[in-house]
Amino acid sequence: GESVGLHLPTLSVQEGDNSIINCAYSNSASDYFIWYKQESGKGPQFIIDIRSNMDKRQGQRVTVLLNKTVKHLSLQIAATQPGDSAVYFCAETPMDSSYKLIFGSGTRLLVRP
Amino acid sequence: SAVISQKPSRDICQRGTSLTIQCQVDSQVTMMFWYRQQPGQSLTLIATANQGSEATYESGFVIDKFPISRPNLTFSTLTVSNMSPEDSSIYLCSVEEQRNEKLFFGSGTQLSVL
Repeated sequence: GESVGLHLPTLSVQEGDNSIINCAYSNSASDYFIWYKQESGKGPQFIIDIRSNMDKRQGQRVTVLLNKTVKHLSLQIAATQPGDSAVYFCAETPMDSSYKLIFGSGTRLLVRP
Repeated sequence: SAVISQKPSRDICQRGTSLTIQCQVDSQVTMMFWYRQQPGQSLTLIATANQGSEATYESGFVIDKFPISRPNLTFSTLTVSNMSPEDSSIYLCSVEEQRNEKLFFGSGTQLSVL
């Protein structure tokens, strides 16, 4: 069976509530960041991205916030739905390795009905 | 976005054997990559598959263990050689379209080595 997410931190939220998933990145020189969603048995799915010259970007029901001072990235999901249950990964691209994504450790989001 | 087909989707293999994983994209892409996702962990880049030349491997990964081919701009293979149980992982193909840094992933190959 699927083994992704067995040992990951878990965030449990009530359906309809807002979710906030946090990520601390490692390289202060990184200039591009992406959030991915990975459902059981599937590859990571692109959600939203942000460049280092921005501190906020909004998509459909999702917002990414970037705090370069403390090297922190967050993903906010509004009105969380059961279909949002998945493992979420942040990824960063160092400025000197523009094609290499470095993935964070991931957070499992569980949505309670 | 590009449609990425990866096969097999899963396999159970015996120790000491090799498995070749295929990645087919429905459009020409500039960059193709292979990632490994060990059980319960995040994704780690194995190598960049270069069209018409040898792949570029990340630290900890070598060509003898993970030979990669990329004969054209839409296809790549990753072979996991002389497998051991420690190779049990999900192997993922990813592509970058038009150098915009947004990576898309295939559905992965879940490999179990007995």
